[in-house]
Amino acid sequence: GEDVEQSLFLSVREGDSSVINCTYTDSSSTYLYWYKQEPGAGLQLLTYIFSNMDMKQDQRLTVLLNKKDKHLSLRIADTQTGDSAIYFCAESLNDYKLSFGAGTTVTVRA
Amino acid sequence: DAGVTQSPTHLIKTRGQQVTLRCSPKSGHDTVSWYQQALGQGPQFIFQYYEEEERQRGNFPDRFSGHQFPNYSSELNVNALLLGDSALYLCASSLATAEAFFGQGTRLTVV
Repeated sequence: GEDVEQSLFLSVREGDSSVINCTYTDSSSTYLYWYKQEPGAGLQLLTYIFSNMDMKQDQRLTVLLNKKDKHLSLRIADTQTGDSAIYFCAESLNDYKLSFGAGTTVTVRA
Repeated sequence: DAGVTQSPTHLIKTRGQQVTLRCSPKSGHDTVSWYQQALGQGPQFIFQYYEEEERQRGNFPDRFSGHQFPNYSSELNVNALLLGDSALYLCASSLATAEAFFGQGTRLTVV
C-alpha cells in the first residue's frame, strides 16, 4: 500500500456524513476502488470509479475523483452504526493487480 | 451464488511446515488473485492466475506458489513457513472487468 495513502482513523456521529480521503501516486491508474472490511471478515466491494470520471453516486455513497491532485474521497450520507468498519482505498493500473492503502477505521458514535 | 469461498477459515502451522490454501471463485469468474493481509495493514498482492497460468506476481519470495485448475479454482502454497507469514490470506475473483470480489479469507497463524 505504499502508493496509496489514507488517514488512519475517523470518528463520526450517527446520522452525520462521513468523508474518507485517499491519495494515490500513479497517474496511470485506470480504476479506483473503495472496499469495506468488518472485523474478522473479508473485503466487500462498495464502489469503484473509472479514471475518466469525476464523480459516481450509488445510494448513500458518493465517490469524488480529482485526477489533477490524485485525490479520491468517499462520502457516506446518513452514517449508521453498521457503517463502522475499516475502509480501504485501492488503485489498479490494469485489471490485474490492486494496490491498497492501509485502511481508515471509521467509528460511528451515537 | 455462493460468491468466493475459501478454505480453511483458520489454520495453525509450525515454522518450517508447508501449507495449502484453497479458493473457489464466484460462479462464472475465470481469474483468481491472492493477497496477504498482515494485522493492521492493507492487503498486499501475491499473484494472479488466469487460464491456469500465473499472469502477474507481486513482491513475494518463491516460497509462495500457486495453481489454478480447469474449473478456475485455485490453491496457494507456502513452503518453509516463517513467523512473519502469519496473516489473513484473501482470494479475489473477477471476469475481465474492474470488479474483484473477495472471499472471507483464511487466517494463518505460524507458531
